[in-house]
Amino acid sequence: AQSVTQLGSHVSVSEGALVLLRCNYSSSVPPYLFWYVQYPNQGLQLLLKYTTGATLVKGINGFEAEFKKSETSFHLTKPSAHMSDAAEYFCAVNQAGTALIFGKGTTLSVSS
Amino acid sequence: GAGVSQSPSNKVTEKGKDVELRCDPISGHTALYWYRQSLGQGLEFLIYFQGNSAPDKSGLPSDRFSAERTGGSVSTLTIQRTQQEDSAVYLCASSLWSGEDYGYTFGSGTRLTVV
Repeated sequence: AQSVTQLGSHVSVSEGALVLLRCNYSSSVPPYLFWYVQYPNQGLQLLLKYTTGATLVKGINGFEAEFKKSETSFHLTKPSAHMSDAAEYFCAVNQAGTALIFGKGTTLSVSS
Repeated sequence: GAGVSQSPSNKVTEKGKDVELRCDPISGHTALYWYRQSLGQGLEFLIYFQGNSAPDKSGLPSDRFSAERTGGSVSTLTIQRTQQEDSAVYLCASSLWSGEDYGYTFGSGTRLTVV
């Protein structure tokens, strides 16, 4: 069975600081990995995904994530936080032909 | 259509009543999923349809919940004898399973409030 653990339900950073949102997964076969963002009162938006190939994945809005098989991790980073990055972020995992399984989410707050 | 469409966007119902939530997936997407989003609980998988295969119902929380997908397109999630703990946002997603387009597109959800 697959599962996702997001460490920290709430992360606070200052504007301009590094953003690091942690995600660890459990999967018996090579996984597909995703990060989604949800802004207040809006739907889910795909930030980035890893399926195969290069393990460093770049997404929208300056975010990137690195698939580390040895650590079963897929942490999300952004070098410099912006106020507009304040949102809830979800890590998710699946294998081909199965449903996407989400973590419980991390709320990112950005202060000026 | 251009995106995944869900209706209604908001539904208030009395405890004990049945409700139906509708999802129109992206045309050509063979896979369709239902999720439930509750405060502090993240997104909980409910059910998954893939083409003509039997659906994966492993996430349905009780036998009050059921879903069908007609003609491989529109899906309806039905909750019978609603309870207050059913209050949540119900999200639908559809996906392609091939090539660079692999990914999921989510609808805006139906916010269900049981009073």
